[in-house]
Amino acid sequence: DQQVKQNSPSLSVQEGRISILNCDYTNSMFDYFLWYKKYPAEGPTFLISISSIKDKNEDGRFTVFLNKSAKHLSLHIVPSQPGDSAVYFCAATFQGAQKLVFGQGTRLTINP
Amino acid sequence: DAGVIQSPRHEVTEMGQEVTLRCKPISGHNSLFWYRQTMMRGLELLIYFNNNVPIDDSGMPEDRFSAKMPNASFSTLKIQPSEPRDSAVYFCASSFPSGLQETQYFGPGTRLLVL
Repeated sequence: DQQVKQNSPSLSVQEGRISILNCDYTNSMFDYFLWYKKYPAEGPTFLISISSIKDKNEDGRFTVFLNKSAKHLSLHIVPSQPGDSAVYFCAATFQGAQKLVFGQGTRLTINP
Repeated sequence: DAGVIQSPRHEVTEMGQEVTLRCKPISGHNSLFWYRQTMMRGLELLIYFNNNVPIDDSGMPEDRFSAKMPNASFSTLKIQPSEPRDSAVYFCASSFPSGLQETQYFGPGTRLLVL
């Protein structure tokens, strides 16, 4: 039973445009969400997070939006750069908990 | 500063053989996590330790899998006997207490292929 789902296995975006990666979750008790980025032959690295008390968190070119009623979050990257090409994992947890539940990942390709 | 170190980076073995994956967490980190990545299920937590003690092993698929952390700087994940469906990338991650939410730092992974 997949509690965190990333329904798009891949996404291709032109350099300079906006990339939008989506994530859905089923457990309404999750109250903390994270995005990790993974390059080939490397481990995932933390990118950005959001608590359920917020609906938006911004860090430079990266913004995460949370829609609790829809149990949906999205990661916006603008403008997209070639170095953003990677696999992005969405994860959910409970505030203060150590156990993260990850989605399947979305492979983002930024085309020049 | 060295990050999380995993060995081997690649492992090819035959069905039925024992496989041992190794992890050295970042110095000073007191939590260690083992994950498995597959195309279908993404990243799945197998087991995690706090201060060398296993806290939650509910993600370990079956008795063929076992994990140990004999000290703060070393952990192993063992599969015995291995099966083709165990083929995946196995990641180790570590973290330390830092306020409300800890950040997990991942190693580069071990790519396992069981023939």
